[in-house]
Amino acid sequence: RKEVEQDPGPFNVPEGATVAFNCTYSNSASQSFFWYRQDCRKEPKLLMSVYSSGNEDGRFTAQLNRASQYISLLIRDSKLSDSATYLCVVNRNQAGTALIFGKGTTLSVSS
Amino acid sequence: DTEVTQTPKHLVMGMTNKKSLKCEQHMGHRAMYWYKQKAKKPPELMFVYSYEKLSINESVPSRFSPECPNSSLLNLHLHALQPEDSALYLCASSQDQGGYYGYTFGSGTRLTVV
Repeated sequence: RKEVEQDPGPFNVPEGATVAFNCTYSNSASQSFFWYRQDCRKEPKLLMSVYSSGNEDGRFTAQLNRASQYISLLIRDSKLSDSATYLCVVNRNQAGTALIFGKGTTLSVSS
Repeated sequence: DTEVTQTPKHLVMGMTNKKSLKCEQHMGHRAMYWYKQKAKKPPELMFVYSYEKLSINESVPSRFSPECPNSSLLNLHLHALQPEDSALYLCASSQDQGGYYGYTFGSGTRLTVV
């Protein structure tokens, strides 16, 4: 099983739609979880951090289910500008390690 | 200052050239990273420096040589690269190596090897 797995998509949705991405992780000791957004040919930018059960920021909601070891990202009222790749990132909570990146989920919002 | 600054933004180099990529942060972060990213792939870890010491080298070829002159600066020295090394090179920093609070990325250097 890969350490972090995401559905690569692409997800093609119309403006105004609600879309959800899921991500599973294998290390039960992981303590912090992130969704990064990456636009084409740009750097990843932190969208949301999740340390407990969830986090909400405007149209974006991240949920964490530790028992099932998955994290989700919900985007409500999708905008054209939400079109990007969304990376699920997890820490290993081990000394001497780095964050683990999922392969990313591509979202395309159309008018 | 909540930024990671990378220079240059674009670089074209021949296979016999020597060049360096630079990265700077003034957030007091103690861990700094080099990542390589190819199109439509996630970032791939190359090196990690923690408290100015190299702590992770992901079996990167010796034609890539990292250097951490001080806690704010990170360099990546390039020599005798191959065309397949063309990619976006990202620098990142974090408060701690484990990345509990996540990473801040620089805008990257887009490298083309000809």
